[in-house]
Amino acid sequence: GAVVSQHPSRVICKSGTSVKIECRSLDFQATTMFWYRQFPKQSLMLMATSNEGSKATYEQGVEKDKFLINHASLTLSTLTVTSAHPEDSSFYICSAETTASYEQYFGPGTRLTVT
Amino acid sequence: AQSVTQPDIHITVSEGASLELRCNYSYGATPYLFWYVQSPGQGLQLLLKYFSGDTLVQGIKGFEAEFKRSQSSFNLRKPSVHWSDAAEYFCAVGPLEGGGADGLTFGKGTHLIIQP
Repeated sequence: GAVVSQHPSRVICKSGTSVKIECRSLDFQATTMFWYRQFPKQSLMLMATSNEGSKATYEQGVEKDKFLINHASLTLSTLTVTSAHPEDSSFYICSAETTASYEQYFGPGTRLTVT
Repeated sequence: AQSVTQPDIHITVSEGASLELRCNYSYGATPYLFWYVQSPGQGLQLLLKYFSGDTLVQGIKGFEAEFKRSQSSFNLRKPSVHWSDAAEYFCAVGPLEGGGADGLTFGKGTHLIIQP
């Protein structure tokens, strides 16, 4: 149990376009989902916390207008990278937290390459 | 602000040998501590966690970790490693101080290499 999926696993887009990444909790309801960014050979950096039905909370330095987060249901959160630039190329990982335990389940990640 | 330090970027261990991965943290209160493993193409998998109670925590795949408050450490150990243990290991602390959110702060990771 406690499986989190992400789609797509890899995406290549042109500079200036927008890309949407989906994060789904497959077998549990997640009131809270998190979005992390991981640079090569680096740690995961928390970008934002997403609560179902409310606005996401962004970490300092993360542009909310560039990284749009929607948590429309208890099993789905989306991250849209708007007007993507090459510096947005990264590995984006989501996680979901159940109400039952303070434990996050991570998705497999999405590799974004902006050309 | 809270932080996690994993001093070893790479560690090479012979198969069958014991392993210890170091993790030190800075946190203003009693932390929740985690160890995750990340294999290529796969998501982070939780190895073990410490919330409270017994400071020696048992996890999956034969791993254990010991919380030492006096040293602000949460080192991961395994008595005998297998080739399949080769991966990236992350120590993490949560929740975020002062924010009320449950996001985690991760260390930079330790890349474990297993020699045959």
